[in-house]
Amino acid sequence: GENVEQHPSTLSVQEGDSAVIKCTYSDSASNYFPWYKQELGKRPQLIIDIRSNVGEKKDQRIAVTLNKTAKHFSLHITETQPEDSAVYFCAASKRGGADGLTFGKGTHLIIQP
Amino acid sequence: DAGVIQSPRHEVTEMGQEVTLRCKPISGHNSLFWYRQTMMRGLELLIYFNNNVPIDDSGMPEDRFSAKMPNASFSTLKIQPSEPRDSAVYFCASTPAGGATGELFFGEGSRLTVL
Repeated sequence: GENVEQHPSTLSVQEGDSAVIKCTYSDSASNYFPWYKQELGKRPQLIIDIRSNVGEKKDQRIAVTLNKTAKHFSLHITETQPEDSAVYFCAASKRGGADGLTFGKGTHLIIQP
Repeated sequence: DAGVIQSPRHEVTEMGQEVTLRCKPISGHNSLFWYRQTMMRGLELLIYFNNNVPIDDSGMPEDRFSAKMPNASFSTLKIQPSEPRDSAVYFCASTPAGGATGELFFGEGSRLTVL
């Protein structure tokens, strides 16, 4: 089955700086790559996703890039703010999410004031 | 819509007891997923249903775990007998048919503690 590796497990950045989280996946048939944000004690919520027919997608301060050849994708957050502090999960799916998502282990992002 | 509704939010029980977790998906969503979250193993997919039919239960850890979806608006995850290693947060999630949007909508989770 699919295996998703995520790095780093913890990332501390100064407020205003950029943060980058990286993931690799094992199954070349995967075609859908979402990112979820989970605040302490809350549910995971989708923040951005990308499908295999595009290489990059942006939404305000958040962007995701995908390299299908290398089987890796990354989350980029620019101009980080205190409310960005949370655990971020990458995930992969072969059927656009219809068969569920295989998640990475998560990255705890800490924004230092 | 109220979103995915899970109950109970917190459950503390003793080893050997039966635990039943409940989930009401978003109306109109045809796929339902049960996930388990622990610090060590992260978010693990246990089982999912399409149109009330179990499709893949390969993530269910052992026979002590079972899940049902008797109708489109209700699902249960049962652990019998429970063990301390079952302590985790159990999330239910739903999505429209065929992963039309890709997004999984998670409930608030049920935090289970087995003593």
